[in-house]
Amino acid sequence: ILNVEQSPQSLHVQEGDSTNFTCSFPSSNFYALHWYRWETAKSPEALFVMTLNGDEKKKGRISATLNTKEGYSYLYIKGSQPEDSATYLCASSINTDKLIFGTGTRLQVFP
Amino acid sequence: GAGVSQSPSNKVTEKGKDVELRCDPISGHTALYWYRQRLGQGLEFLIYFQGNSAPDKSGLPSDRFSAERTGESVSTLTIQRTQQEDSAVYLCASRVGLAGGLRSTDTQYFGPGTRLTVL
Repeated sequence: ILNVEQSPQSLHVQEGDSTNFTCSFPSSNFYALHWYRWETAKSPEALFVMTLNGDEKKKGRISATLNTKEGYSYLYIKGSQPEDSATYLCASSINTDKLIFGTGTRLQVFP
Repeated sequence: GAGVSQSPSNKVTEKGKDVELRCDPISGHTALYWYRQRLGQGLEFLIYFQGNSAPDKSGLPSDRFSAERTGESVSTLTIQRTQQEDSAVYLCASRVGLAGGLRSTDTQYFGPGTRLTVL
């Protein structure tokens, strides 16, 4: 059974602060790691798909790293803005097309 | 182009009634998924359709849940004799997919979900 865990469960930061959160997953039979952003009342939006150990991806102020050997990924947000407030989901897949999601990190950025 | 759409956006029903949720995937996407998120829990996989292959139903929580897909288009998720624990946001996602069950890193594109409340 693939167990994906995210921490922290929730996070409150001030506008302008940089922040990061963690996704951990079993490293055996790893295939791909996905990050999504889910704003209230909207569709989850894909941020990154990562497959290679040491991968680092960036989209604006958001970046992510991947360590497949130890089974973790970090998501970083530089200079948080109120519009970054959302739940950030990670999901892992092993040799299948099925994604197993973590419970998410709920981020609130206060002006 | 148009994204994944779902209807209804909200559904309130009484315990014991049947409900049907609809998903329209992105045109050309052969893979379609249903998930749900109950309060305080993560996204839970329900069922996966890939082209003409038999669907992967391994995530359906009970035989009250069923889903169909017409070719590579619309899918409906049916919940019979709804229970209060069925209350959740039901999300549909589609992906380009690959034939023959090959692995893919293609992104899943989600709809906005249907919020189901069972009284």
